[in-house]
Amino acid sequence: DTGVSQDPRHKITKRGQNVTFRCDPISEHNHLYWYRQTLGQGPEFLTYFQNEAQLEKSRLLSDRFSAERPKGSFSTLEIQRTEQGDSAMYLCASSSPAQGGGYTFGSGTRLTVV
Amino acid sequence: QKEVEQDPGPLSVPEGAIVSLNCTYSNSAFQYFMWYRQYSRKGPELLMYTYSSGNKEDGRFTAQVDKSSKYISLFIRDSQPSDSATYLCAMGWTTDSWGKLQFGAGTQVVVTP
Repeated sequence: DTGVSQDPRHKITKRGQNVTFRCDPISEHNHLYWYRQTLGQGPEFLTYFQNEAQLEKSRLLSDRFSAERPKGSFSTLEIQRTEQGDSAMYLCASSSPAQGGGYTFGSGTRLTVV
Repeated sequence: QKEVEQDPGPLSVPEGAIVSLNCTYSNSAFQYFMWYRQYSRKGPELLMYTYSSGNKEDGRFTAQVDKSSKYISLFIRDSQPSDSATYLCAMGWTTDSWGKLQFGAGTQVVVTP
């Protein structure tokens, strides 16, 4: 296992378009998280899953954002009708309470809305 | 007021010096404390985590938590240019590694040769 994998690494899209990002967590991790990070700021929590159940969503996650983890493995984050303010790094992380040891982040998807 | 405060820096130190980083927090419900290192345009990398007040050491890194003062610190001994990065503190509400984290804004560290 090579850690948390995110795809694509970079995405440039025109305002108003829809985008979808994918996250593959560490295989034995049942908790999966999405965060958003803008320049000069720490990551901000968006949502998290325990297996396929979405347990919490931030108020930052407007109705244009949706996340899924259909089989409790990989997850997708979709942004509809993108706005320039959506430009950020979108980070995925996973963890396993059974194993402890903290959260492992992926390298992120950098979104630029033009 | 943010729940987690962290001086953004930049903090510049000469190679071999001790780097001292800290965060303060206002929510006494935080139970789980972590430090991450983030290189430019990369995801955060976990350095250390701890649940309790006191010190925890791992190689050149020492994490310190003072729950009574709501203050955590990270010390890096014998700093190297490769330690130049942004260091993020993060806090969680549970004593196990699950649930959302609250991050500080990060402190940029520059270690000069």
